[in-house]
Amino acid sequence: QSALTQPPSASGSPGQSVTISCTRTSSDVGGSFFVSWYQHHPGKAPKVMIYEVNKRPSGVPDRFSGSKSGNMASLTVSGLQAEDEADYYCSSSAGNNNWVFGGGTKLTVL
Amino acid sequence: QVQLVESGGGVVQPGRSLGLSCAASGFTFGTYGIHWVRQTPDKGLEWVAGVSYDGNNKYYGDSMKGRFAISRDNSRNTVHLQMNSLRVEDTAVYYCVRGPLSNVWYSHFDPWGQGTLVTVSS
Repeated sequence: QSALTQPPSASGSPGQSVTISCTRTSSDVGGSFFVSWYQHHPGKAPKVMIYEVNKRPSGVPDRFSGSKSGNMASLTVSGLQAEDEADYYCSSSAGNNNWVFGGGTKLTVL
Repeated sequence: QVQLVESGGGVVQPGRSLGLSCAASGFTFGTYGIHWVRQTPDKGLEWVAGVSYDGNNKYYGDSMKGRFAISRDNSRNTVHLQMNSLRVEDTAVYYCVRGPLSNVWYSHFDPWGQGTLVTVSS
C-alpha cells in the first residue's frame, strides 16, 4: 500500500508563492496516482482545493494549482493571502479500496 | 445545497461502543460512496471507512478492521458508523464525507460534514 509524505511546515509572505510537496512511497509503483488536496482551518470542515492532480472545483481561487511528476505531487499557492493560512493535506487511493492522507503541512503566512 | 450532518459523538470509556450517524441532503444519495475520515492533533487526517453507493461493499482502515462497522440506508439518506472496543487513540473528530465507491466517476472527498467529536477516556 501507499503512504504519502508531506513537509510538516511551509511559509511565505503575503503576495509570494509557496509550493507544498506530497511524495508517494509504495511497494507497488504501478497504478494511477490521483491526488487531491484539502485545506483545513481549525474548527472547520476540510475543503477540497484540487482534485485529480490539477483540477480546481468551482469557487476555489485560481491562485491554487496542482501538478505531478512521477511519484511527487505539488500544491502551489500563488499571491499568498492571510486567509490561506491553514493545514493542507494531500490524499490518494492507497490501493485495495483504501485511501490515505499525507501527514499535513501547516502553511504560515508571515 | 449538498450537506452532510454528523451526530452521535460524545465521551465513552475505553472498551465501550458508540454509534455515529450521518444525514445527507441536496444530492442523489444512492449514487455516491460515503466515507468517514477522522482528525486528531497528532496524526492529522486519517481515512476510517467507506461504503459503496449501494451498500454492498465496505472497506476499513487497518486499525479499524474488526472493530468498526459502516452501513447505509438509502431510503433514509443516512450512513451509520458503529464503533466497538474503542481505544484512547480513537479519540478524534469524525467527519462524514462524500467520495469514491460511487457509481459515477468521483475520485475525491467532497463535501465534508462539520464533524462530531468522539472522546475515549476513563
